[in-house]
Amino acid sequence: GQNIDQPTEMTATEGAIVQINCTYQTSGFNGLFWYQQHAGEAPTFLSYNVLDGLEEKGRFSSFLSRSKGYSYLLLKELQMKDSASYLCAVRDLAGNTPLVFGKGTRLSVIA
Amino acid sequence: DGGITQSPKYLFRKEGQNVTLSCEQNLNHDAMYWYRQDPGQGLRLIYYSQIVNDFQKGDIAEGYSVSREKKESFPLTVTSAQKNPTAFYLCASSTYEGVRTDTQYFGPGTRLTVL
Repeated sequence: GQNIDQPTEMTATEGAIVQINCTYQTSGFNGLFWYQQHAGEAPTFLSYNVLDGLEEKGRFSSFLSRSKGYSYLLLKELQMKDSASYLCAVRDLAGNTPLVFGKGTRLSVIA
Repeated sequence: DGGITQSPKYLFRKEGQNVTLSCEQNLNHDAMYWYRQDPGQGLRLIYYSQIVNDFQKGDIAEGYSVSREKKESFPLTVTSAQKNPTAFYLCASSTYEGVRTDTQYFGPGTRLTVL
């Protein structure tokens, strides 16, 4: 089966660094995506990992360890506008659907 | 200006009525998807289509129907058989590499409320 776990909620301070974890169990792993979703809006693509290691894009970085079934999204120099839900999604070639989404982590950035 | 459009943004319907949600894309993507999002839940796949005139059921297809007559369009009908249709509906599209979906890009969503 498929299982993707993320923390439900996190709170962090403006200017700080926050790490959002995602663990997954799939039989045909073939890539992991991170999306940002502001309340009432569409998810927007942030990053993609298919090989082990860190991918950096400005203030956002994403890490993948395939052997551990683990990824994290790292947000640096937090801004108030980073308050949003962050969705982890796994591409599983052995599954019945093209992409499986976790339930998302709601991040609140406070002053 | 390429993108995915969904209309309307808000939709109200009476219980027992069928309703069709629109999704159009001009990104030249082969694949299109419909997801449903409920509070506290992840995105759940309703239907997807990798090519014109073909589509597959997702995890929660019961009570929904789709068509894919044109590459650019993938309308979703919420039928009266859907037990709990009030939700936020998201359409997405992507290219497809063999059996793999590439990055999916989302439309702005339609919030359906059934009264």
